Amino acid sequence: DIQMTQSPSTLSASVGDRVTITCRASQSISSWLAWYQQKPGKAPKLLIYKASDLESGVPSRFSGSGSGTEFTLTISSLQPDDFATYYCQRYNSYPYTFGQGTKLEIK
Amino acid sequence: EVQLVESGGGSVQPGGSLRLSCAASGLTLSNYPMSWVRQAPGKGLEWVSALSVIDGRTYYADSVKGRFTISRDSPKNTLYLQMNSLRADDTAVYYCARDLGRADYWGRGTLVTVSS
Repeated sequence: DIQMTQSPSTLSASVGDRVTITCRASQSISSWLAWYQQKPGKAPKLLIYKASDLESGVPSRFSGSGSGTEFTLTISSLQPDDFATYYCQRYNSYPYTFGQGTKLEIK
Repeated sequence: EVQLVESGGGSVQPGGSLRLSCAASGLTLSNYPMSWVRQAPGKGLEWVSALSVIDGRTYYADSVKGRFTISRDSPKNTLYLQMNSLRADDTAVYYCARDLGRADYWGRGTLVTVSS
């Protein structure tokens, strides 16, 4: 199965910062990648799909890029509501796999 | 408004069985692929199973293959996950989600605890 590796595992940042999270696939997945945000006790929320398409209703400060094996999620200017855990997920074929998550903490 | 509501979780002994349900409103389940995703306490997300809409084909993670069965009751607009031979490492919150590859609608989840 194709493995997904996220980095970093934890990221400390301040409101207003620009942050980038990376997700690497063990083999090419074209652009079949999604990003989710999850807050404690809540279901994940879809942010980005097909590597760079913004889900409806998601603020434009979130963006995604990449293809093949390397992908990034960028938050252009962190807002207080953005402190959460972020996951990438490949969906080129079953079984789908998620990255291990990146916890974004307040510095 | 789309709503997915999971139920059926609870505490069960190792080796036991549970059937989870995911009732949908605002969405006709038979028109879309659906998945179950789980999250062990304090851990990340793990995709568990999917049900295709085109041919009814089912897919499973290796960790649950042969023990879990996904199915759908179209008249009831409900998705199920039958879980047999449960193990301690199946302890998790189980979410159902609409599976367009990416999962855009999620339920709130139901907690399954496997412990003696």
